[in-house]
Parts: sequence; C-alpha cells; structure tokens
Amino acid sequence: GAVVSQHPSWVICKSGTSVKIECRSLDFQATTMFWYRQFPKQSLMLMATSNEGSKATYEQGVEKDKFLINHASLTLSTLTVTSAHPEDSSFYICSARASTGIETQYFGPGTRLLVL
Amino acid sequence: EDKVVQSPLSLVVHEGDTVTLNCSYEVTNFRSLLWYKQEKKAPTFLFMLTSSGIEKKSGRLSSILDKKELFSILNITATQTGDSAVYLCAATSGAGSYQLTFGKGTKLSVIP
Repeated sequence: GAVVSQHPSWVICKSGTSVKIECRSLDFQATTMFWYRQFPKQSLMLMATSNEGSKATYEQGVEKDKFLINHASLTLSTLTVTSAHPEDSSFYICSARASTGIETQYFGPGTRLLVL
Repeated sequence: EDKVVQSPLSLVVHEGDTVTLNCSYEVTNFRSLLWYKQEKKAPTFLFMLTSSGIEKKSGRLSSILDKKELFSILNITATQTGDSAVYLCAATSGAGSYQLTFGKGTKLSVIP
C-alpha cells in the first residue's frame, strides 16, 4: 500500500515554543492531506483538510492561527503548532489521499507531542 | 451532523475465537466505509467498502456493507494475540475532499 511518513515521531518542548510536523507521501502524489489529533483512549478528530496550493480548511473549534498548515507540494504538508501549551500535548496524525481519485486515506505513523 | 457508532466499545476473547465488530453510520452524501486497525501508532488500512452485499476478505479478516440498513461488520476468524488492537470504522462523505468521520473504535483484546 501507499506510504506516508511523518517527522518527527516524538517531540518534547517547552511551553511557548513552536513545533513543526512534516507529513510526506513517499510513493504517490497527494492532492489532499488531512491532519488529525487523537487524545488518549479517544478516536481521531479531524483538525483540518489541506489541499495542495490552497488554504487549509479547518474544522470547527480548531484555531487556524494556532495550527498553521502549509501544503506546498503534492508530497508534503506541514503542521506548525505555534506557542504550544501543555493542553496541546497529543498524538498528531496526518493522512494523504492520492490524486488519482481513490478515496482511501493512508495514515502516517503519527507524532507524539508533549509540551512541558 | 455526521455520525459513526461502533459496538461493542471493548471486547475480550480467547485465541481461536471468531469476533464480529459492528459499525453503523449516518452520513450525508455517503460515499464509502473504511476499516482501520490501530495498535500503538497510527491506523493501518484494512478495507474500503462502497457497494452493498459484496464481502471483502483479507486472510482471516472480512467485511461487508449494508447501505440500506447503514451498517457494516468486520469479522475476524481464528483470532490471534496479534489481532489485539483498536479497530476503527470511518465513513467518507460529500464530494471533493473525502473527509472521514471516525467512530470511537472497538478495543479488541485476544488472550492466549
């Protein structure tokens, strides 16, 4: 199946710093990438939908100025958590959908963020 | 509001048992239903179902969709300890972005 990578796998940072997470589709072009957040023992919650070359669409309750998304190419999307606080600590997962119209989303391995 | 409900939330079985996981959905402009397996990391794709009544199989796992009754089941036969995971069901709706609405998952524990 299609491969999606995320970097870094783990981040521990101090409160107030910004953290950038990269999501790459390795063997296919992804018109659309999705960013999810998952808190312990909960399901995945969609944060935003990212289309290459255009502004991301954020879900209700997700602050676009806090979670900056850039989808600069068909294989790379980045999520920057600005001025992170302890409540932002979570498991962030990206997924990518191929440009060929197939609906399946393939997930990256996730990034665990711990804000102290 | 789109909604996906999975049951049971948690299940403990012995190795060799057969299990059935349930997923019901209420989604505007439904397109497809997907099953994922999540262990300690991000979900891995199992099946995508778009047509009613056509069973998809992969080894000991199989799944089927009923678009009239708005549900899907995931069967696992001859369970193994390696099947222990959270199984997530998600529905795709609308046109364009194919956003997924996830259920809360079923936590399956297979004990020796």
